[in-house]
Amino acid sequence: DVKVTQSSRYLVKRTGEKVFLECVQDMDHENMFWYRQDPGLGLRLIYFSYDVKMKEKGDIPEGYSVSREKKERFSLILESASTNQTSMYLCAIKRTVEAFFGQGTRLTVV
Amino acid sequence: GQQLNQSPQSMFIQEGEDVSMNCTSSSIFNTWLWYKQDPGEGPVLLIALYKAGELTSNGRLTAQFGITRKDSFLNISASIPSDVGIYFCAGHVSGAGSYQLTFGKGTKLSVIP
Repeated sequence: DVKVTQSSRYLVKRTGEKVFLECVQDMDHENMFWYRQDPGLGLRLIYFSYDVKMKEKGDIPEGYSVSREKKERFSLILESASTNQTSMYLCAIKRTVEAFFGQGTRLTVV
Repeated sequence: GQQLNQSPQSMFIQEGEDVSMNCTSSSIFNTWLWYKQDPGEGPVLLIALYKAGELTSNGRLTAQFGITRKDSFLNISASIPSDVGIYFCAGHVSGAGSYQLTFGKGTKLSVIP
């Protein structure tokens, strides 16, 4: 079974803080993704990576950056957290065509 | 980005009833996927469809890949309380550089005991 692990289930951060969300996979998959999920808006792609040190912007990259220094780890960085970044964040890997998700991180920015 | 039209947006049903939901697109997809998300959790893959016309079952769940390749549906038979959650469809187009899946916005299912 594919295992995707997000480092935190719940986070509360202050406005202006730099926030790191970590995602680790156990199966050497190349493609990794970060989505945010908001009620009524579905899943929106923030960034994805198709290999180590490679990244591509998704649909809503503003206010975020990513890092992929090792194949198994894909980090999402909020450079200066704002209240409109309060959301559920989902990491996923893609195996051929199927995506497998982590358990999600619910981030609240106060 | 591209979106799939998923309907209905939400459903309230009695336990034991059958459920049907669908996804439509203006574009062709090579693969259709159906996911379920329990409250507070990440989506879990339920069924994958790889061929136009394909009909696949997973327990009480049945999904079909539309013959035009622009739609898919998911049926749940004899619903039970643990079927509660959000069901997402996703489509994939094969080809060089096609990394992404396109997701529907989800159908929120509530089951009344």
